[in-house]
Amino acid sequence: GAVVSQHPSWVICKSGTSVKIECRSLDFQATTMFWYRQFPKQSLMLMATSNEGSKATYEQGVEKDKFLINHASLTLSTLTVTSAHPEDSSFYICSARAEGSGNTIYFGEGSWLTVV
Amino acid sequence: GQQLNQSPQSMFIQEGEDVSMNCTSSSIFNTWLWYKQDPGEGPVLLIALYKAGELTSNGRLTAQFGITRKDSFLNISASIPSDVGIYFCAGQLLYNQGGKLIFGQGTELSVKP
Repeated sequence: GAVVSQHPSWVICKSGTSVKIECRSLDFQATTMFWYRQFPKQSLMLMATSNEGSKATYEQGVEKDKFLINHASLTLSTLTVTSAHPEDSSFYICSARAEGSGNTIYFGEGSWLTVV
Repeated sequence: GQQLNQSPQSMFIQEGEDVSMNCTSSSIFNTWLWYKQDPGEGPVLLIALYKAGELTSNGRLTAQFGITRKDSFLNISASIPSDVGIYFCAGQLLYNQGGKLIFGQGTELSVKP
């Protein structure tokens, strides 16, 4: 089946630094990718919709200048957490929509971010 | 905004028992999906429902899309230890609304051997 890969799987960074998470669709093209954030024991909360070749659409309450999204190709979207703080520590999950395949959405494995 | 109410929040059952969980919404969704998430991993799609009233099975899993497009249930028959995990329902908006998924709160399933 379709595979979506995230990298890194986990990352620890110092407070105030920036960290980039990549989301790749390995065997299909994805015009649209989605970024979620999940705290322990909670559901997935949509942060933004990433559109290839155009600006991302952010959900209400998500700071676009803090969570930079770039979707430069049909197989890659990146999420950069800028000036990270400990409260940004979370599980970040991306998903990609397989165009023309019933628009099925496939999820990556997730990336654990810990800000110390 | 759109919200999905999923219940129960958690279930503790004996191996071999059947399980049922459901989701309701005040909004109509184009598609309903059920995912399972293991600790530290991304969600894995179990069943996708596209038509109102649709009843679909995937092995021991059965799910139905409500007639009103505002609810869905997932049944697991003869549970086994590997069924442990968190199950999420998700409603998908129309393509021209972004096609994004709205998730329920999740049902944490524990199975005692």
